[in-house]
Amino acid sequence: GGIITQTPKFLIGQEGQKLTLKCQQNFNHDTMYWYRQDSGKGLRLIYYSITENDLQKGDLSEGYDASREKKSSFSLTVTSAQKNEMAVFLCASSMGGTSAETLYFGSGTRLTVL
Amino acid sequence: AQKVTQTQTSISVVEKTTVTMDCVYETRDSSYFLFWYKQTASGEIVFLIRQDSYKKENATVGHYSLNFQKPKSSIGLIITATQIEDSAVYFCAMREINSAGNKLTFGIGTRVLVRP
Repeated sequence: GGIITQTPKFLIGQEGQKLTLKCQQNFNHDTMYWYRQDSGKGLRLIYYSITENDLQKGDLSEGYDASREKKSSFSLTVTSAQKNEMAVFLCASSMGGTSAETLYFGSGTRLTVL
Repeated sequence: AQKVTQTQTSISVVEKTTVTMDCVYETRDSSYFLFWYKQTASGEIVFLIRQDSYKKENATVGHYSLNFQKPKSSIGLIITATQIEDSAVYFCAMREINSAGNKLTFGIGTRVLVRP
């Protein structure tokens, strides 16, 4: 089996600050994803990457940048944190290649902006 | 555009009984995949079960089964013989076969409480 590690688990930032979230997977999966989870809104896709150095925008990409410099890692940057923002950011990975594949999730990074 | 709707925000059941939760979806594609994921109190999200749209038989895995009604665009999740540890939030999700970029669309989730 494998594991997805997200760091940090908790992130407190200031309004306007640039914040970076990291994700590592040892499944050797091709595709990685960043989702945002807000209370009552389910999971919304921010960015995904189908291979090293690839980036694809999701529904919620505005205000975020992403980077996939290695197959095993995928980072997400909040370009300018919004005051009172609170959300959980979930990283996921999948083998890649078929629509039937399932996603494996990390335990999340909980963001609070003061 | 894809859309997944879970109308039940929370359900409470007694242990060892059956719980059923609803999910309806919208898609223009004739072929797609439907998934259910479970999020525990710790935040961990795990895959439970999948239904392929071209299969008529309802998927079953352990004490999880699906009620797939394609004409109604509905994919209900049924958990039989519930246990306390089934208390969680359950997400329905869909991916179209030709989904641009392999996009998976999630519903907002149904919170299930299994009480003794």
